[in-house]
Amino acid sequence: QKEVEQNSGPLSVPEGAIASLNCTYSDRGSQSFFWYRQYSGKSPELIMFIYSNGDKEDGRFTAQLNKASQYVSLLIRDSQPSDSATYLCAVLPGNQFYFGTGTSLTVIP
Amino acid sequence: TAGITQAPTSQILAAGRSMTLRCTQDMRHNAMYWYRQDLGLGLRLIHYSNTAGTTGKGEVPDGYSVSRANTDDFPLTLASAVPSQTSVYFCASSDGGDIQYFGAGTRLSVL
Repeated sequence: QKEVEQNSGPLSVPEGAIASLNCTYSDRGSQSFFWYRQYSGKSPELIMFIYSNGDKEDGRFTAQLNKASQYVSLLIRDSQPSDSATYLCAVLPGNQFYFGTGTSLTVIP
Repeated sequence: TAGITQAPTSQILAAGRSMTLRCTQDMRHNAMYWYRQDLGLGLRLIHYSNTAGTTGKGEVPDGYSVSRANTDDFPLTLASAVPSQTSVYFCASSDGGDIQYFGAGTRLSVL
């Protein structure tokens, strides 16, 4: 079992819709959770991090964490074509980061 | 601010040859990391260093070595490259917190 699991997609949403990206993790001791965005041919860039159960909002992005169910999600409101990218979930159970394989999102104009 | 600089940007390497991928950061971050990214497998940690003078093995360390002589530099060496090491390599750093910053990557093809 992989440490971090993501649906690889592709996920397609129309412009202006809400995109929902999900991630599950295996290590219950994980305390820190991250979402990175990666455009094709580019390096990952951090867009959200969350440490506590519940929701964390930053602009159009909301991260949701449920430690009991071991999942973390990312909601993108009012999706824009510029949001089209691969989204990587990352977990820090100890001193080593584990990344999911990423979910490819396409926002259709 | 340059952040993290990786070199070369891309390289084609004959199997059996050695190569060092360079990584330099100017943010004075203590921790540095090397990842490889392969289609369908995501980012996997090769080696890491929590501070100058120390290194540790990640998820896929075989065939790679690293050194951390100072805070800024964290080179990754392939002693005898094999085709399965064809990948995109990313160097990253963090300031001791949880947030990592990534370099632009090195695309390596081993033939």
